[in-house]
Amino acid sequence: NAGVMQNPRHLVRRRGQEARLRCSPMKGHSHVYWYRQLPEEGLKFMVYLQKENIIDESGMPKERFSAEFPKEGPSILRIQQVVRGDSAAYFCASSPERRGETQYFGPGTRLLVL
Amino acid sequence: DAKTTQPPSMDCAEGRAANLPCNHSTISGNEYVYWYRQIHSQGPQYIIHGLKNNETNEMASLIITEDRKSSTLILPHATLRDTAVYYCIVARQGAQKLVFGQGTRLTINP
Repeated sequence: NAGVMQNPRHLVRRRGQEARLRCSPMKGHSHVYWYRQLPEEGLKFMVYLQKENIIDESGMPKERFSAEFPKEGPSILRIQQVVRGDSAAYFCASSPERRGETQYFGPGTRLLVL
Repeated sequence: DAKTTQPPSMDCAEGRAANLPCNHSTISGNEYVYWYRQIHSQGPQYIIHGLKNNETNEMASLIITEDRKSSTLILPHATLRDTAVYYCIVARQGAQKLVFGQGTRLTINP
């Protein structure tokens, strides 16, 4: 049973470009969470999604960031017009449909903005 | 969610038990204690969680005090691969967001 998969594992972008980060949850999981870890800092919650719905986006920056989890396919975290401060590790976690289940994390995508 | 306090760093000799403390004096009755760890450059790994009873699994044991204001994660026979940052998190079961503090950087020494 494959775990949470994220790709790409490393992404380099120049300032002003767009970054798209993908997350495939564990089989049987329909809840997806995105977290960001800035250099030398702890993980910070960004957004929680279920299929086709954003449930909680209280941790998302107000501009340039968006997330989706379509009916088919992986969850996408999209960052438009990236800036150097967006350089970080972005982790996705998933949990099953049943309430009360633990979140399991993927290996992360390391974004470097030049 | 309640706040947790952990020592910033700890050392332990390989083969010995590693005991990682966590204070959560403002924990509510319906909040669980979760432990995750993050090995360098990897995603956080779930270890164990509990409400008020002690818990044990193949990775670790969790001891929660009777007043639930503190807990200890025990790695019974630490190996070099247990070197990681360990996060103690207090949250309702199935919480939508986990609040990660700075954690404890555990170094296992040969």
